Amino acid sequence: EIVLTQSPGTLSLSPGERATVSCRASQSIGGGFLAWYQQRPGQAPRLLLYGASSRATGIPHRFSGSGSGTDFTLTISRLEPEDFAMYYCQHYGSSLYTFGQGTKLEIK
Amino acid sequence: EEQLVESGGGLVKPGGSLRVSCVASGLSFNSSWMGWVRQAPGKGLEWVGRIKSKNDGGAVDYAAPVKGRFTISRDDSKSTQYLQMNSLKVEDTAVYYCTSGGIDFDFWGQGTLVTVSS
Repeated sequence: EIVLTQSPGTLSLSPGERATVSCRASQSIGGGFLAWYQQRPGQAPRLLLYGASSRATGIPHRFSGSGSGTDFTLTISRLEPEDFAMYYCQHYGSSLYTFGQGTKLEIK
Repeated sequence: EEQLVESGGGLVKPGGSLRVSCVASGLSFNSSWMGWVRQAPGKGLEWVGRIKSKNDGGAVDYAAPVKGRFTISRDDSKSTQYLQMNSLKVEDTAVYYCTSGGIDFDFWGQGTLVTVSS
């Protein structure tokens, strides 16, 4: 079973700054099978990126994704107040789904 | 607009059973893979299981912690999926989210809280 490890656990930044969240897989995975989600407090998660780098419907252009093999990155180019939330990466393979442990993006 | 609405959560004693439901609207339910993701209080997301569309064979897969205790089913005529939970444990306490999607989870319900406690 593939394990996804996110870093950092907590990221403290100010609005307008750039945020970078890492997701490392325990073995090489296809980029087509890596997604990112945002979860605001008290809300359900929502899909941000799929296929490692494709934005889901309605997701602003300031959200981007990259990576391949074992290392993937979520980047938020300029943080808006509503972007402070939890972020999770997720993988699908061998009929199983796994999530990273999450990264909390908090206001500095 | 796509919408998933869960119901049936509540308080149940350890060893008990509970069935939660999810009604879908605004999406092609028949061709959608449906599933469940849970989140224990203050914790991260944990995949529970998934049922493929009938066109894709209808296979059901489960996460190891729930395999043999939980059963996912679907009724395409009602655009509804179900999660039957048996032999519940305290550690099954969580918000259970209904999801749709294949490789990833396009849409999520708002969740239903299941509390397992004596």
